Amino acid sequence: GAGVSQSPRYKVAKRGQDVALRCDPISGHVSLFWYQQALGQGPEFLTYFQNEAQLDKSGLPSDRFFAERPEGSVSTLKIQRTQQEDSAVYLCASSLGRSGRETQYFGPGTRLLVL
Amino acid sequence: KNEVEQSPQNLTAQEGEFITINCSYSVGISALHWLQQHPGGGIVSLFMLSSGKKKHGRLIATINIQEKHSSLHITASHPRDSAVYICAVVRYGQLTFGSGTQLTVLP
Repeated sequence: GAGVSQSPRYKVAKRGQDVALRCDPISGHVSLFWYQQALGQGPEFLTYFQNEAQLDKSGLPSDRFFAERPEGSVSTLKIQRTQQEDSAVYLCASSLGRSGRETQYFGPGTRLLVL
Repeated sequence: KNEVEQSPQNLTAQEGEFITINCSYSVGISALHWLQQHPGGGIVSLFMLSSGKKKHGRLIATINIQEKHSSLHITASHPRDSAVYICAVVRYGQLTFGSGTQLTVLP
């Protein structure tokens, strides 16, 4: 079956522009995670959904970052008034259950470059 | 100090060599993941373990909960094993990642 998909794969934004990044998890997966990966670093947690509920948003770096998953499937990560330090790969992952101890399936990521 | 430390940061090996990548962590965890990331960003989960040892093909992962340490071993390495290997610990349902080990296997 289809894995996790993300769109767009690449996004170039001018500083100050708003961007929206989409994640389509594996059908039926309850948990959805967003991560930010800077060049040469490991991913860092941004936020976590269980179905439509955003249970943890402690990793969002500022109030310019907002994520939603209104129907418990597709999720959107929105970044308002983008800054150069937002340039990174944004990864989405989903897992079947709720425990956090299950295999997470990662999407290919969206590479964001803010000029 | 990062909660998850990996070593080495970079590793170059000749085809056929036995490879070990280490991961140490400083917090209590419920599980640990080993992940593989190829150029272009795709991440694949290799193992999730909470005790002992797991083996899949040429890959072996071990964890010592008391010592807060895990190792990933690759036997008979091959150039297609070249990738970044990332250790991630599960704490309160959330993953915290190491910064990765860039492995290059030369033919």
